[in-house]
Amino acid sequence: EAGVAQSPRYKIIEKRQSVAFWCNPISGHATLYWYQQILGQGPKLLIQFQNNGVVDDSQLPKDRFSAERLKGVDSTLKIQPAKLEDSAVYLCASSFDREKQYFGPGTRLTVT
Amino acid sequence: GESVGLHLPTLSVQEGDNSIINCAYSNSASDYFIWYKQESGKGPQFIIDIRSNMDKRQGQRVTVLLNKTVKHLSLQIAATQPGDSAVYFCAENRANDYKLSFGAGTTVTVRA
Repeated sequence: EAGVAQSPRYKIIEKRQSVAFWCNPISGHATLYWYQQILGQGPKLLIQFQNNGVVDDSQLPKDRFSAERLKGVDSTLKIQPAKLEDSAVYLCASSFDREKQYFGPGTRLTVT
Repeated sequence: GESVGLHLPTLSVQEGDNSIINCAYSNSASDYFIWYKQESGKGPQFIIDIRSNMDKRQGQRVTVLLNKTVKHLSLQIAATQPGDSAVYFCAENRANDYKLSFGAGTTVTVRA
């Protein structure tokens, strides 16, 4: 079974630039999550989709972050404009039910 | 507050010995718990999970214990191997909620 795919794996941008991350979940998984993981910390949920609808985006900084999940499959997370504190690993996960979540390899973002 | 935390940020263990990683949680409404392993440069990988109606669950070389009275769970790794070196996260999930809350993680280092 193919796992969660993410791209790019690494991205370096300057502050105030924009960046987008892509995620392809495991086939058949209705729920998709985006997490932010700052170095030395556990993942923090940014947004959760059920099919193509947003279930929870309470932790998403909506003034600069946006996310969409078209047709209930792939998803993109965008940051515009980026700040230094956005440097982190952005993880995508998917699940079939409310329990076990499967994570992708993540995108390491460095904002300079 | 509602959070999941780990007792120790680091654990050093001799190869072949058993490892015990501890985690405390504070949300009594949590009914599902999960342990993840995260190696450097990778996303979290599922290890084992347990529901609140269980006290113990065993997997391959791993055992999770849940003590609901003191809101504590632990992960035991038998015959620790060099490949077990990683950061281990516990996460909790509340009933009827798809959101996982992660602790900060314990870094396990296996000594040869």
